[in-house]
Amino acid sequence: QSVLTQPPSVSGAPGQTVTISCTGSSSNIGADYDVHWYQHLPGTAPKLLIYANNNRPSGVPDRFSGSKSGNSASLAITGLQAEDEADYYCQSYDSSLSLVYVFGTGTRVTVL
Amino acid sequence: QVQLQESGPGLVKPSGTLSLTCAVSGGSISSSNWWSWVRQPPGRGLEWIGEIYHTGNTNYDPSLESRVTISIDKSKNQFSLRLSSVTAADTAVYYCARAHTPLNSISLLDYWGQGTLVTVSS
Repeated sequence: QSVLTQPPSVSGAPGQTVTISCTGSSSNIGADYDVHWYQHLPGTAPKLLIYANNNRPSGVPDRFSGSKSGNSASLAITGLQAEDEADYYCQSYDSSLSLVYVFGTGTRVTVL
Repeated sequence: QVQLQESGPGLVKPSGTLSLTCAVSGGSISSSNWWSWVRQPPGRGLEWIGEIYHTGNTNYDPSLESRVTISIDKSKNQFSLRLSSVTAADTAVYYCARAHTPLNSISLLDYWGQGTLVTVSS
């Protein structure tokens, strides 16, 4: 079981805003380690969506934004579109584990 | 544009060894990047397996370390995964990926392969 907890699912109508939380602890997010976010459509390669908490790689729409505070991080999708329907994962580092990468439990976004 | 492509048997018998190769194109495997394996069991999330640098240095998930070997072949620009003593719990889609470490941040995976399903079954 991952040390980074995400809600299993969130949903919203087209045009709405949805937010995905990623809750960790004092040994990962709370220890000031950055959070990265990935978008994953089943059957395809995961795609880096947000890096270092709130930065978008080239080509990622500004509808996607990230933030971090305390032991948690969040990904917001504004102006939800049908193509945003996918699984989303946060990723960080945990100093209490000997793991280079720690992924969140994943959140399925459904566009109603 | 870096591209990664996994290849290997899609079916492995229990207690056998899973072997996969990741071919890298559009970039050198000897660059200043680590190269990772990640898997996704059916209905579950992403799990990091391990990584290798072109020098041969490796890091593994401690829970898999006794069964995992990641190796690199610079002449073929590819790296490989071997997972021994497999069980049904090792059934998953396996991805290879390239790591990048932004300045003053932690590593991330910026290029991924499409993934390959490996089923452990007799």
